[in-house]
Amino acid sequence: GENVEQHPSTLSVQEGDSAVIKCTYSDSASNYFPWYKQELGKGPQLIIDIRSNVGEKKDQRIAVTLNKTAKHFSLHITETQPEDSAVYFCAASMNTGFQKLVFGTGTRLLVSP
Amino acid sequence: GAGVSQSPRYKVAKRGQDVALRCDPISGHVSLFWYQQALGQGPEFLTYFQNEAQLDKSGLPSDRFFAERPEGSVSTLKIQRTQQEDSAVYLCASSLDRQESETQYFGPGTRLLVL
Repeated sequence: GENVEQHPSTLSVQEGDSAVIKCTYSDSASNYFPWYKQELGKGPQLIIDIRSNVGEKKDQRIAVTLNKTAKHFSLHITETQPEDSAVYFCAASMNTGFQKLVFGTGTRLLVSP
Repeated sequence: GAGVSQSPRYKVAKRGQDVALRCDPISGHVSLFWYQQALGQGPEFLTYFQNEAQLDKSGLPSDRFFAERPEGSVSTLKIQRTQQEDSAVYLCASSLDRQESETQYFGPGTRLLVL
């Protein structure tokens, strides 16, 4: 089955710096790659997603890139703010007729003022 | 509008007890998912409903886990004879329909602690 690996497990940056989180997946049939932000005591919230027919997608300070050949995808956050501090999860969707998400192990991002 | 709600938010059970966890999806959402999230890990898929039909239960860890959605809206995840390894956060998510690439909206989760 699908396996998603995520790095780093923790990331500390200064406010205003950029943050990059990387994921790899194993199933070449996966075609949907969402990123979720999870704050303490809350459920994951979708922040951006990308489909396999697109190489890059941007939404304000957040961007995601996808390299299908290498089976890599990355989350880029620019001009980080303290409120960006949270755990971020990447996921890949197996092509089973519905969106069966396989999640990475998460990255704890800490943005210091 | 109202998002996905789950109850209870916290549950402490003694080993061997049965528990029932409730999920109220967003109104009109056809698809409903249950995930298990162990401490420090990402959510892991348990089961999927399309309306009242349970189409995939491949992620349920054992036959002690049972889920239902009898009227195609509210869903209940039941765990019988709870074990310590069942301690986790149980997340429910719903999406508008079954098509791929449809956003899943997550509830806040139920944190289960089995003593």
